[in-house]
Amino acid sequence: QKEVEQNSGPLSVPEGAIASLNCTYSDRGSQSFFWYRQYSGKSPELIMFIYSNGDKEDGRFTAQLNKASQYVSLLIRDSQPSDSATYLCAVNGDSGGYQKVTFGTGTKLQVIP
Amino acid sequence: DGGITQSPKYLFRKEGQNVTLSCEQNLNHDAMYWYRQDPGQGLRLIYYSQIVNDFQKGDIAEGYSVSREKKESFPLTVTSAQKNPTAFYLCASSIQQGAGDEQFFGPGTRLTVL
Repeated sequence: QKEVEQNSGPLSVPEGAIASLNCTYSDRGSQSFFWYRQYSGKSPELIMFIYSNGDKEDGRFTAQLNKASQYVSLLIRDSQPSDSATYLCAVNGDSGGYQKVTFGTGTKLQVIP
Repeated sequence: DGGITQSPKYLFRKEGQNVTLSCEQNLNHDAMYWYRQDPGQGLRLIYYSQIVNDFQKGDIAEGYSVSREKKESFPLTVTSAQKNPTAFYLCASSIQQGAGDEQFFGPGTRLTVL
């Protein structure tokens, strides 16, 4: 069983729509959750992090966390073609006394002009 | 400007050769990490270091070696024992190696074995 699961996509949305990216994780003890954006051929760039249940908003981005359901999501409002990228979910949890970040395989988002 | 630099951007290696990938950070971060990314796969942890002169194996350390002689530097050597080294290698750092500390990535090195 994968520790962090994401739908690989591609997820296609029209420009101006809301893109919803989802991630589930297996470790109930996970404490920190991160969303990274990765353009093709480039390194990941941190765009959001969330630690508490509920919503966290930053500009057009909203991260949502539900620890009971072991589910974290990223909403992108007013999607732009420049948002087209792969979005990586990362979860920090305990691995034998070491705090380990586990990355999902990413969801590819395509914003259609 | 603070950040993480990796060099070279592209590296070509012949089979049987060892190569060393450079990673430098001026963020004053204690923790540094090396990941490998293959197409269609997530990032896989090779090695990490919490402080100078200390490092630990990650999930796929076989065929790799590291050193941490300076806080700013965490070079990765890909040895000839690594059977399939062609991949995108990413170095990252965080303030500390802890639950809440987000990791910041360098631009990566793309290694190709000829």
